Amino acid sequence: DSGVTQTPKHLITATGQRVTLRCSPRSGDLSVYWYQQSLDQGLQFLIQYYNGEERAKGNILERFSAQQFPDLHSELNLSSLELGDSALYFCASSVGGATNEKLFFGSGTQLSVL
Amino acid sequence: AQKVTQAQTEISVVEKEDVTLDCVYETRDTTYYLFWYKQPPSGELVFLIRRNSFDEQNEISGRYSWNFQKSTSSFNFTITASQVVDSAVYFCALSEGRRDFNKFYFGSGTKLNVKP
Repeated sequence: DSGVTQTPKHLITATGQRVTLRCSPRSGDLSVYWYQQSLDQGLQFLIQYYNGEERAKGNILERFSAQQFPDLHSELNLSSLELGDSALYFCASSVGGATNEKLFFGSGTQLSVL
Repeated sequence: AQKVTQAQTEISVVEKEDVTLDCVYETRDTTYYLFWYKQPPSGELVFLIRRNSFDEQNEISGRYSWNFQKSTSSFNFTITASQVVDSAVYFCALSEGRRDFNKFYFGSGTKLNVKP
């Protein structure tokens, strides 16, 4: 058990809808990351937060947004969903967010857009 | 261009065979970090090893060993005497430079099937 908690584990929704994925980092970790894993794109970095502030952005679509709250949990909001958004979304955390830190991953949220 | 290339999409071996998973990376930074993660069928990625660019010593941990060669930009992973429990997708990843953010670049993964 990595100590990173993601909810829900599975999400089934329809095109055009909006969903929120939630992540609680390991106790003591200040940095949270979101990754998308799909069959054709592999593991893609979406965004990183450190202590409530956005620190790095990857291939995150404009329809997606995220935030990290004062209690350090994070939410990833996906809107105007398309079939291609179906993927496994991972949250990870690390202590400070520096380059040499290993990431601890949650078990993921499997999103299915029908 | 891919920053991390794992050319082997899928490998199948029989239990007790040795297997090497290849990883080639690309970076212009002199300081960088390489990682291997394991993703078992349960889905959660599990950290296996971290290496910094200044430490080329090979590492062994039980049946696992890693060969880091800067000259060929490779960081290969060998499992000795493979077991069925080693069946998983293995990812190599690169984190660049001394920055205050951590943007991992993952390879596409190698799926390892170990048959009894």
